[in-house]
Amino acid sequence: QVQLVESGGGVVQPGRSLRLSCAASGFSFRNYGMHWVRQAPGKGLEWVALIWYDGSNRDYADSVKGRFTISRDNSKSTLYLQMNSLRAEDTALYYCARRYCGGGSCYSNPEAFDIWGQGTMVTVSS
Amino acid sequence: DIQITQSPSSLSASVGDRVTITCRASQTINRYLSWYQQKPGKAPKLLIYAASSLQSGVPSRFSGSSSGTDFTLTISTLQPEDFATYYCQQSYSTWAFGQGTKVEIK
Repeated sequence: QVQLVESGGGVVQPGRSLRLSCAASGFSFRNYGMHWVRQAPGKGLEWVALIWYDGSNRDYADSVKGRFTISRDNSKSTLYLQMNSLRAEDTALYYCARRYCGGGSCYSNPEAFDIWGQGTMVTVSS
Repeated sequence: DIQITQSPSSLSASVGDRVTITCRASQTINRYLSWYQQKPGKAPKLLIYAASSLQSGVPSRFSGSSSGTDFTLTISTLQPEDFATYYCQQSYSTWAFGQGTKVEIK
């Protein structure tokens, strides 16, 4: 079945780095853009980053721009999030999610997140 | 940046009630709004796409509508499994979520 499985979370000190992975299965990963979304404990959802299906374009939330890098390996059906210079405010459950454009072009259609992983927890603390 | 204001932040309702949750955008976003349900310890689930399109497998008691910059999620007859937190999300300008509405048992 269609599935996303995140891994790589853990406890890390402020200023250090961590790399998250998201393994996709059950669909043609190379045909879909992918997002990272995070949720701080007891808080709402915050979009983090997007990468297009072919890796040609990337976009980031202002809160992580310059510190986080989203990437993908379509040969491995895997999405990544490299997180550098981590801060306490980056503590959250990180979800990967599939980009959904209603079956049409993402240039001219609303977008949503139609498939989500179960999340991986990142705690930034000294 | 486009601001999305979701209301109420929480509500108490009984099984069988009609429930309405609203999101208001700070500017026009056409139909670039979706709705999600999140239960404790679970990932969000897409309910409504493009303001009013029901996702496959989502019960028909869920519906979405829009009027200008106001968007509404309606649960026509609340069921026990509907107690959860609901989020709206706009995709007109990057991607941003509303603050969430927790639907609790009355």
